[in-house]
Amino acid sequence: EVQLLESGGGLVQPGGSLRLSCAASGFTFSNYAMSWVRQAPGKGLEWVSSISGSDGSTYYAESVKGRFTISRDNSKNTLFGQMHGLRAEDTAIYYCAKCSGANYYSNFDYWGPGTLVTVSS
Amino acid sequence: DIVMTQSPDSLAVSLGERATINCKSSQSVLYSPNNKNYLAWYRQKPGQPPKLLIYWASTRESGVPDRFSASGSGTDFTLTISSLQAEDVAVYYCQQYYGVPFTFGPGTKVDIK
Repeated sequence: EVQLLESGGGLVQPGGSLRLSCAASGFTFSNYAMSWVRQAPGKGLEWVSSISGSDGSTYYAESVKGRFTISRDNSKNTLFGQMHGLRAEDTAIYYCAKCSGANYYSNFDYWGPGTLVTVSS
Repeated sequence: DIVMTQSPDSLAVSLGERATINCKSSQSVLYSPNNKNYLAWYRQKPGQPPKLLIYWASTRESGVPDRFSASGSGTDFTLTISSLQAEDVAVYYCQQYYGVPFTFGPGTKVDIK
């Protein structure tokens, strides 16, 4: 059974940093691209970033480019999201999502329960 | 960026009746070399993460009830729930994975009439 479990969310002041983690199990982690998708309170879904399973290439939404770094540790089946320069508009539930293929041009077939990031002074 | 729009914003349907949601992309998401539409549908129940229902515009994900069907190609797509059940109360999103940034529609809220 595929399981994804995010951690690392919390309350952070504007300009602060946070590192999100997503522990994956139930599939061969290195074979699949992974993504972060976020959802602001009461709002829709916004893709944040993706990393391929094969060569580790990455893509970012313009809204987080330069402030968010996606990475993965295939030996530990873990996805990371390093966030810095946080802004109020980054407040959201951050979901870890498994892509259905090795490259990120694929749908998100499994999602974690999400971790809440709140940016506020 | 490919902009996704959905209609209606919300709808209320009686139990057992049909619900239809439309999704339109600002440019084609059909990739000619493999003739696949890079379009997915998700259902998000209150307080839960999204769940994949449909991919490649019309392929039902494993375990998804056959009351869910989808069609369309190019820029115009439709999700149909043939007989609405109570557990289908949710927000439904379409999403294109043809080009970066991957974009979602604004969502359609489905309620029971």
